Amino acid sequence: AQSVTQLGSHVSVSEGALVLLRCNYSSSVPPYLFWYVQYPNQGLQLLLKYTTGATLVKGINGFEAEFKKSETSFHLTKPSAHMSDAAEYFCAVSGPSGGYNKLIFGAGTRLAVHP
Amino acid sequence: EPEVTQTPSHQVTQMGQEVILRCVPISNHLYFYWYRQILGQKVEFLVSFYNNEISEKSEIFDDQFSVERPDGSNFTLKIRSTKLEDSAMYFCASSDGGPVLTFGAGSRLTVL
Repeated sequence: AQSVTQLGSHVSVSEGALVLLRCNYSSSVPPYLFWYVQYPNQGLQLLLKYTTGATLVKGINGFEAEFKKSETSFHLTKPSAHMSDAAEYFCAVSGPSGGYNKLIFGAGTRLAVHP
Repeated sequence: EPEVTQTPSHQVTQMGQEVILRCVPISNHLYFYWYRQILGQKVEFLVSFYNNEISEKSEIFDDQFSVERPDGSNFTLKIRSTKLEDSAMYFCASSDGGPVLTFGAGSRLTVL
């Protein structure tokens, strides 16, 4: 069965610092990979996705993620954090064993950005 | 930009009462989903719906739950007799059949 592990339930960075949110997945076949963001009292918004092709994908708000098959990882990065990036971030996977239309989510990482 | 709309945003109910959560998916989407997130836990898949029938459901989606598309625009989740453990944020999502799901803002259900 597919699963997603997000290392670190809480990450705190200074404004302007690098943001790195970790995501590892387990799947026998490369799945589709997603990062969603949830701002307070709002729904889940797609940040970026990997399905096929280029392994470095760029998303909204300056975020990007790299699919590394050898490491079964899809870490999310942003070079310079902004106060408005404070939110909860969810890594998710869909794919062969679970079905490409069914998302399996990680537990989420809450990002705090301090001045 | 098209969006998925959910109502109510928050509902408080007594244990044993029936609850209906409503969703208006994106108009040209044909695949519909319900997910839920118990406070502090993962977002979990409940059910997917296509062509007026359930295409897949999780073990959470027992006989207390049902889904319906009563007309051309709404997609509803009914919980027949709510339990305390049904307290959660319920997210509706829709897709055009591709891998990207568009989520609504959620309906927070509190069961007392």
